[in-house]
Amino acid sequence: AQTVTQSQPEMSVQEAETVTLSCTYDTSENNYYLFWYKQPPSRQMILVIRQEAYKQQNATENRFSVNFQKAAKSFSLKISDSQLGDTAMYFCAFMKHFPGGTSYGKLTFGQGTILTVHP
Amino acid sequence: NAGVTQTPKFQVLKTGQSMTLQCAQDMNHNSMYWYRQDPGMGLRLIYYSASEGTTDKGEVPNGYNVSRLNKREFSLRLESAAPSQTSVYFCASSEGIERRQPQHFGDGTRLSIL
Repeated sequence: AQTVTQSQPEMSVQEAETVTLSCTYDTSENNYYLFWYKQPPSRQMILVIRQEAYKQQNATENRFSVNFQKAAKSFSLKISDSQLGDTAMYFCAFMKHFPGGTSYGKLTFGQGTILTVHP
Repeated sequence: NAGVTQTPKFQVLKTGQSMTLQCAQDMNHNSMYWYRQDPGMGLRLIYYSASEGTTDKGEVPNGYNVSRLNKREFSLRLESAAPSQTSVYFCASSEGIERRQPQHFGDGTRLSIL
């Protein structure tokens, strides 16, 4: 079974600064996907960024980037130029790769990190 | 652009009452899921439906039942609500064939059981 751990229950950052959220996971799988989801006070879950384990290059999406360390089973999220709208709960998630057939894409989530961006 | 729609958004029940949470998606996704979110626990999978006509237990299925009514709809039923089921419930869907696609979530249902 897979486990995902987010060791930072809460983080805060000043507007325009950079913050990094940590995530580690445990799996015996070699092929998998990792995601960061954002959950603002509205409670909707929003996909921020994803990473395929077979890719060595770290994924980036505008101000969001990841540091994927496969050997260390670490997947941190860096938010640059933080904005007030980035205030939310952030979840790291793992999805197993299913070779052949169909995958139902079941996700395993971490506990979440509450990020507050201060003006 | 509805995506995943959950109803109701809020509900208060008394212990022992029953209710059904509704979920519908308009993305023609094969797979659907029900999660609950409790403080400090992240999201935990209750039940999922890999495809129309199939349902399977997730991590925390006790006290719940589900029905995959058709490809679009996946309901979650609490037969006899208990205070421990007070939580926020999320429905999600994904395209099962495209393995690289993550799940799309509804806005959640806040359920309180007194």
